[in-house]
Amino acid sequence: DTGVSQDPRHKITKRGQNVTFRCDPISEHNRLYWYRQTLGQGPEFLTYFQNEAQLEKSRLLSDRFSAERPKGSFSTLEIQRTEQGDSAMYLCASSFGMNTEAFFGQGTRLTVV
Amino acid sequence: ILNVEQSPQSLHVQEGDSTNFTCSFPSSNFYALHWYRWETAKSPEALFVMTLNGDEKKKGRISATLNTKEGYSYLYIKGSQPEDSATYLCAEAGGTSYGKLTFGQGTILTVHP
Repeated sequence: DTGVSQDPRHKITKRGQNVTFRCDPISEHNRLYWYRQTLGQGPEFLTYFQNEAQLEKSRLLSDRFSAERPKGSFSTLEIQRTEQGDSAMYLCASSFGMNTEAFFGQGTRLTVV
Repeated sequence: ILNVEQSPQSLHVQEGDSTNFTCSFPSSNFYALHWYRWETAKSPEALFVMTLNGDEKKKGRISATLNTKEGYSYLYIKGSQPEDSATYLCAEAGGTSYGKLTFGQGTILTVHP
């Protein structure tokens, strides 16, 4: 296992378009997190899963954002009708439980033009 | 305290100096406190995960302490080196019954040769 992988690494899209990101966690990890990071800030919580169950979604997240983890393995994060304010680094992390370290992917940098 | 907060926001030290940062977190529904180091162009990497009040952990020149009753953790770096320059993030697993991982905004450390 080579760790957490995210695809794509970079995405440039026009405002109003839909985008989808993929995260492949470490195989035995049951927890998967999505965060958004903008310049000068720490990772902002978006949502997380335990196996295939989505446990919580940030109240700050609009209905344009949705995430799935259909078989408890990989996850997708979709942003519909992108806005310039969605430009950020989107980070995925996985862990085995809450009391063990989380491993992060390299992130997907989204630029909305 | 309602959120995970870190101080200072940034820190500049000279090579050889010892330094420390603070992480404050809500002390209710606490499960674990994580510290991560995030170097430019890399993914965050875990330093420590602590769960018990009074925990102290050490890795080389870096150590951390945890006080769950008052809701804070300190990270210490002894004899800072330029390669220690990074953003140091703390995260609390807790706040809800599912123990989501919530990050602070980070402390940016720059060690000058």
